[in-house]
Amino acid sequence: DTAVSQTPKYLVTQMGNDKSIKCEQNLGHDTMYWYKQDSKKFLKIMFSYNNKELIINETVPNRFSPKSPDKAHLNLHINSLELGDSAVYFCASSPASLGLVEAFFGQGTRLTVV
Amino acid sequence: SQQGEEDPQALSIQEGENATMNCSYKTSINNLQWYRQNSGRGLVHLILIRSNEREKHSGRLRVTLDTSKKSSSLLITASRAADTASYFCATDNAGNMLTFGGGTRLMVKP
Repeated sequence: DTAVSQTPKYLVTQMGNDKSIKCEQNLGHDTMYWYKQDSKKFLKIMFSYNNKELIINETVPNRFSPKSPDKAHLNLHINSLELGDSAVYFCASSPASLGLVEAFFGQGTRLTVV
Repeated sequence: SQQGEEDPQALSIQEGENATMNCSYKTSINNLQWYRQNSGRGLVHLILIRSNEREKHSGRLRVTLDTSKKSSSLLITASRAADTASYFCATDNAGNMLTFGGGTRLMVKP
């Protein structure tokens, strides 16, 4: 069983479109995250979300919006896609108190905006 | 800017040799973690070291932490071709999220 699963694995779309990436975890974790990995492999946190609070990284454009229908899901919706949004997006989850435990990552979604 | 910075950015060694990667960070931390990423895959947790620990072992992995220098190192002993991957250090941010460095790309030649 996959602990953290993302769909789709690959996404190619045109500029200006709106798209969503789905993430589900079956680990019973309280906290989920979205990370962006650019072409140079730098990983940047985008959002951290748990039952109580959504923490938004201030560098993330408001075209990006996380949506969590329940504790096991955290989807990422992107409006008006731009070329610079091309990257690999990773979903992750962890129990609360991340500093004491590890994060579990999905396999990533490679987004290509053309 | 990244909280953690790995050094070197790329490392190429022969199978059987040891590989050492370093990580420096800027602010106080609670813990530091190392992750591995195979090409085209997600990150996998390797080891966590707490701020009050100086050294930790896990199989062929050895991690050190020097909070006075704000640095950590990951040593992989007796490397194997299967160790070829990118290795990232990550620091926690008040328990809410991990901040990653740029990674070290390790290639182990058979």
